[in-house]
Amino acid sequence: EAGVAQSPRYKIIEKRQSVAFWCNPISGHATLYWYQQILGQGPKLLIQFQNNGVVDDSQLPKDRFSAERLKGVDSTLKIQPAKLEDSAVYLCASSPGLRNNEQFFGPGTRLTVL
Amino acid sequence: QQPVQSPQAVILREGEDAVINCSSSKALYSVHWYRQKHGEAPVFLMILLKGGEQKGHEKISASFNEKKQQSSLYLTASQLSYSGTYFCGTGRGAQKLVFGQGTRLTINP
Repeated sequence: EAGVAQSPRYKIIEKRQSVAFWCNPISGHATLYWYQQILGQGPKLLIQFQNNGVVDDSQLPKDRFSAERLKGVDSTLKIQPAKLEDSAVYLCASSPGLRNNEQFFGPGTRLTVL
Repeated sequence: QQPVQSPQAVILREGEDAVINCSSSKALYSVHWYRQKHGEAPVFLMILLKGGEQKGHEKISASFNEKKQQSSLYLTASQLSYSGTYFCGTGRGAQKLVFGQGTRLTINP
């Protein structure tokens, strides 16, 4: 079974530029998560989708971050414009459902903002 | 509210035991444990649900004490492959998981 796929794996941009990350979850998984992991910290949930609807986006900085999951499969996370403090690893995870399910993480995208 | 993990870091020799604690100021309904190796994605270890149950995974087990709002992860006879950062995540049903700051475990030969 294929795992969660993410691209790109690495991205370096200058502040005020925009960037987009892509995630393809495990086939059949209804729930998709985007996390931000700053070096030395635990993952912080940015947004959670159930199929193509948003379940939780309370910690998403909506003035600069946006995410969508069209057709309830792939998802993209965008940052526009980027700030220095956005430097982090962005992890995508998926799970079969909402309740008490194991989350399967992708390899992540390491973003460096200069 | 982010759960608090202790210790922040621990160094062991191969074959020694370790305990990692995860405490919350809020009532716990479920606790998830993940291990993350350097430069890799977190990997699921186990989920514990409200009810004080204990689960096992190879030589790794965990307990969940809802009265104390605490979970503990036990690593018995540690192996070199156990090295990494361990995260607990607390949640309630469909609500989001909130992860602790992590405990870095180093196993030396």
